[in-house]
Amino acid sequence: DVKVTQSSRYLVKRTGEKVFLECVQDMDHENMFWYRQDPGLGLRLIYFSYDVKMKEKGDIPEGYSVSREKKERFSLILESASTNQTSMYLCASSLDLAYADTQYFGPGTRLTVL
Amino acid sequence: TQLLEQSPQFLSIQEGENLTVYCNSSSVFSSLQWYRQEPGEGPVLLVTVVTGGEVKKLKRLTFQFGDARKDSSLHITAAQPGDTGLYLCAGGLGAETSGSRLTFGEGTQLTVNP
Repeated sequence: DVKVTQSSRYLVKRTGEKVFLECVQDMDHENMFWYRQDPGLGLRLIYFSYDVKMKEKGDIPEGYSVSREKKERFSLILESASTNQTSMYLCASSLDLAYADTQYFGPGTRLTVL
Repeated sequence: TQLLEQSPQFLSIQEGENLTVYCNSSSVFSSLQWYRQEPGEGPVLLVTVVTGGEVKKLKRLTFQFGDARKDSSLHITAAQPGDTGLYLCAGGLGAETSGSRLTFGEGTQLTVNP
């Protein structure tokens, strides 16, 4: 079974803090993704990575950066957290670049920025 | 950015009823996936359809991909409380590099009351 784990289920931070969200997958997947999920907006792609040290912007990259130093680990960084970044953050991975490939999701991190 | 619109956004029905959820776009997708998400968990893939007009059945769930590959529907027969969850459609574009990237709809929150 594919397992995608996220470092925290719940996180509370203050405005201006630097925030790290960690994601690890154990199935040697090439691709990893970070989404945020907000009510009525579905899942919106922040960044994705198709190889170690490679990254591409998604639909809403502003205010975020990512790091992928090892294949199994993909980190999302909020350089200076703001209240409008309060959201549910979901990490996902997929095996390869096949167009119909399954994405496997972690349980999510609910981030609150005060 | 390609958009996927789901309807309805909320659906509350009694056990045993039938229902249909719709996923529409003005864009053509190379594949269409349906995911289900339960509270506190990440989305889990239910099905992938890749051919225009394709119909797939998964027990009481029937998925259809439109002939023009711009829309899809999910029909549930004799809904049960265990079907409660957030249903998300996701379209794949199929291009190189971004081939594994998905565009998600806003989701349909289904509640099946006993």
